[in-house]
Amino acid sequence: EVQLVQSGAEVKKLGESLKISCKGSGYSFTTYWIAWVRQMPGKGLEWMGIIYPGDSDIRYSPSFQGQVTISADKSISTAYLQWLDLKASDTAMYYCARQVIVAGAADFWGQGTLVTVSS
Amino acid sequence: QSVLTQPPSVSGAPGQRVTISCTGSSSNIGARYDVQWYQQLPGTAPKLLISGISSRPSGVPDRFSGSKSGTSASLAITGLQAEDEADYYCQSYDSSLSGWVFGGGTRLTVL
Repeated sequence: EVQLVQSGAEVKKLGESLKISCKGSGYSFTTYWIAWVRQMPGKGLEWMGIIYPGDSDIRYSPSFQGQVTISADKSISTAYLQWLDLKASDTAMYYCARQVIVAGAADFWGQGTLVTVSS
Repeated sequence: QSVLTQPPSVSGAPGQRVTISCTGSSSNIGARYDVQWYQQLPGTAPKLLISGISSRPSGVPDRFSGSKSGTSASLAITGLQAEDEADYYCQSYDSSLSGWVFGGGTRLTVL
């Protein structure tokens, strides 16, 4: 069974750093892309970027380039999304999702990680 | 402002047919990239409903169908059921942004 299991909810303060994770199982982790998607409270879905764990090819949305870092450790089938300097506007639900190709569909999604940033 | 445009809301009575439109441009839907539709039930992660314009993953009822024409796509839901009440998002690839783009989402209310 294909699963993407994300790390738990986080409550952080302004300016702090954070790294959340997405662990894949039930498939070959290195042969699928992993995308990250943001959903701010009461809002729609926003694509942040994508990584191919097989060779760490990474693409960022222009809106998120320089704001976050996407990485992966294929030895433990885990992808990461990282912030160095959290802002209140980073408060959102973050989802990881699996894709066969960059331009294709996300056929499996993680359960989401809620990040809350407060002052 | 989303790159793909969807109506904010649609509604229909049980058993009826509703459609949700998704309008893009020549750099995404019009560039012949696939269009996907996702269903997001309240408090849950999005779920793939339609891929490659009109293909349904295993387990998705055939009441859901997708189509595309020019720079627009549509999701049709027939035989509306109360359990269909959710947010629906279209998604495609955009060559000018070199990444995914989503519609703003459409809330379906079953009356």
